[in-house]
Formats: sequence, structure tokens, C-alpha cells
Amino acid sequence: EAQVTQNPRYLITVTGKKLTVTCSQNMNHEYMSWYRQDPGLGLRQIYYSMNVEVTDKGDVPEGYKVSRKEKRNFPLILESPSPNQTSLYFCASKNRGNTEAFFGQGTRLTVV
Amino acid sequence: DQQVKQNSPSLSVQEGRISILNCDYTNSMFDYFLWYKKYPAEGPTFLISISSIKDKNEDGRFTVFLNKSAKHLSLHIVPSQPGDSAVYFCAASAFEGSSNTGKLIFGQGTTLQVKP
Repeated sequence: EAQVTQNPRYLITVTGKKLTVTCSQNMNHEYMSWYRQDPGLGLRQIYYSMNVEVTDKGDVPEGYKVSRKEKRNFPLILESPSPNQTSLYFCASKNRGNTEAFFGQGTRLTVV
Repeated sequence: DQQVKQNSPSLSVQEGRISILNCDYTNSMFDYFLWYKKYPAEGPTFLISISSIKDKNEDGRFTVFLNKSAKHLSLHIVPSQPGDSAVYFCAASAFEGSSNTGKLIFGQGTTLQVKP
């Protein structure tokens, strides 16, 4: 089954404690991205990757890091989480060009 | 600066009637538009799309209309069903040639409630 898998689904952490949210896709997509969803703001792109070892900032990259060492994986790293990073996070993958993106089920992160 | 806007945070319709969800955009370079549906505790799922060379695309109960001159698109659901109750996001992308990232820019979302 074609899918994007995120882990964990839910995470509560404390300010400053490094964390990683994993994302994996099995569709051989070149393009992967991370979004955060906040009330009234829709889905905002954090980082994206056009291929292995190629990453770039999205619209709200501050406080986040990513890596793309393999085509299928695109982890999101919060080196020092802060409460304003409390949000619902989605990983997505797609082929290049004008095609639809496939989303993971989301990670609900709470930073206290 | 919000390039894709959904100005109605919520919409409530009766089962069997038409649901019309609206979306406006500002960037004339956008040439591909998509609608996503999102249920609670799930990721967004693709619903329907339209290329800027068309003004209408239909898929079963779902039809998307594009008015390029007004920079406006709408999603029509006919007839609406209780299972359609969800958050609907519109998204847009621009083809940028060989370096096309296919980046999707999303609106804020509209919560649709279909009452039995």
C-alpha cells in the first residue's frame, strides 16, 4: 500500500529537549516536505527536499532542521523545542511538477 | 502575505443540498490547483485538481471551477452527505520549468458540516 508514515503520532516534550519526528514514504517520490498546521493559518511549509541531499527552507523554517540521506526518509529535527512549536505536523511526498501530494497521518507535538 | 485564501472558516449545509467552498489566490503564476479533505486525526487526502488551462473539472459528486480572471476557484459538492463533513483545504502550485519544486501553497481551510 502506498503511504507516508510518520512517527510518533503524539509527543509531549519539555522546552529544550531535542527531538526527531520521522517520515518515510514507499512511493519512490523525489519531493518531500514538512508542514505545520495551526488554527486559522492552514498548512505552512517548514522545509522541503527535491531529492537526496537536496533540502531547502520553506515558509517557516526557524527552529527546525531536516536531512535527506535516503530517498524514502525525511526526518524533522527540533534541536531545542520551544512552546511556540506546539503544533500538528504533517509530512508529505509527491512527484515533481504539478501532481498531488500524499500526506502522513500527522504528529501532534506539545512543548511545555 | 497569504497567497491562497479561504475566507470562510466554516460552512454548514443540509444533507442532499449543494456545498460550495470558495478559494481566492493572488499569484497569477499559479497554474495548478488542488482540493484536499481532512478528517480529524488524519492527514489531508487529495480530492480533486484542476489545471489552469481548464475552467471545470468533475469527479463524481465533486466539481471544481476555476475563474482565472477573478483568481477564484470553488469546489461544489452535490449532493452533500454527512460523510463529507471535514476540513477542506485548497492549494495552488506554479510550474517553474526544469527546477520545478511543485511546492503547494495552502489556504487556511474551511470546515464543512453536513447535517442529516
